[in-house]
Amino acid sequence: EDKVVQSPLSLVVHEGDTVTLNCSYEVTNFRSLLWYKQEKKAPTFLFMLTSSGIEKKSGRLSSILDKKELSSILNITATQTGDSAIYLCAVGWSYQLIWGAGTKLIIKP
Amino acid sequence: NAGVTQTPKFQVLKTGQSMTLQCAQDMNHEYMSWYRQDPGMGLRLIHYSVGAGITDQGEVPNGYNVSRSTTEDFPLRLLSAAPSQTSVYFCASSPPPGAGRTHEQYFGPGTRLTVT
Repeated sequence: EDKVVQSPLSLVVHEGDTVTLNCSYEVTNFRSLLWYKQEKKAPTFLFMLTSSGIEKKSGRLSSILDKKELSSILNITATQTGDSAIYLCAVGWSYQLIWGAGTKLIIKP
Repeated sequence: NAGVTQTPKFQVLKTGQSMTLQCAQDMNHEYMSWYRQDPGMGLRLIHYSVGAGITDQGEVPNGYNVSRSTTEDFPLRLLSAAPSQTSVYFCASSPPPGAGRTHEQYFGPGTRLTVT
């Protein structure tokens, strides 16, 4: 059965800390891995990683795909209270996405 | 360009009632999907469509129907609401194949449904 597992399920850090969120997957016919940020409403797209693009960076956020280990990490440096959210990982195959349960990140001032 | 819109934002139903959640997108996306999100369970796919006239079941389709008569609209029908369908429902759409962004889904704001 295809699955996506995220860890930790929740994380509390202080402003300025660096955090690493993990996503591992077992998905037949892997095509892509995506990271989304969900605050109080709908998920918003952060990154998409594929075999041809295994590393992405945007400001303080960066992500790496390890196809050998079937996993990905999302790093956030110099965290701010606005980074508090649920971070979702999803793996794409065909048209569909298989979603992890998410990591709830809380940044304390 | 409104993106993906959903109505209503909130709804309370009694057990056994039926209703339709509306979803529309103005980005000419072929792929659309409906998810439900429950605490601790991430997003689960209910139904999806790869184009007008084509729909298919996802992971949790029981109790829900969909149709896709136009590219823009993808309504979700609850036939006989049950308390187990209390959830937050999201509609999403994706660019067509060939754009290299097929899995990059754009979400509507969600509908919070409570069934009593």
